[in-house]
Amino acid sequence: NAGVTQTPKFQVLKTGQSMTLQCAQDMNHNSMYWYRQDPGMGLRLIYYSASEGTTDKGEVPNGYNVSRLNKREFSLRLESAAPSQTSVYFCASSPRGNEQFFGPGTRLTVL
Amino acid sequence: AQSVSQHNHHVILSEAASLELGCNYSYGGTVNLFWYVQYPGQHLQLLLKYFSGDPLVKGIKGFEAEFIKSKFSFNLRKPSVQWSDTAEYFCAVNAFTGGGNKLTFGTGTQLKVEL
Repeated sequence: NAGVTQTPKFQVLKTGQSMTLQCAQDMNHNSMYWYRQDPGMGLRLIYYSASEGTTDKGEVPNGYNVSRLNKREFSLRLESAAPSQTSVYFCASSPRGNEQFFGPGTRLTVL
Repeated sequence: AQSVSQHNHHVILSEAASLELGCNYSYGGTVNLFWYVQYPGQHLQLLLKYFSGDPLVKGIKGFEAEFIKSKFSFNLRKPSVQWSDTAEYFCAVNAFTGGGNKLTFGTGTQLKVEL
């Protein structure tokens, strides 16, 4: 089992560019999550998907969109990147919405 | 909405010292509680969790935590830290509300263990 995988590992964007962060899990979990991690602020939930076909906003959804493509995959899209979106992004999955398993993260820099 | 407070942002200890990291949450209903650890450059890994039963839970690598419902606390302890425990530690709470199963994380405690 690979667990939770994320691509890319690193990305540099210019302000206004768009990109999609990919996440996949092979543990047959129902729930998936996207967080951003910033120094001194812990992890903040951007969006989550309780089950295939549903998505909901988290604490900091502005500037992001998500797609739950199927049970395995949950992508995060930045339509027009801003410097404030410079962060480390983590995807996580959970079998019953409790204990979450995290991916390795994507380090995004927006210039 | 629930919130999680971790009082110590940075802790520096010598090897073999005892560790206690504080965590308080602000939800009065049923909760599940977690401690995660993030080693430098790595992703978050589960240290231990509390769902129900014995309020003293033991996790990996000699860590334990005690759930005190009356104090809304879930403090992490280790009797004797090692250099390899240098990492960032996050407390998290899953409160059972109508908003679905979401974890709320504290802001983290950066632990540095010196030789």
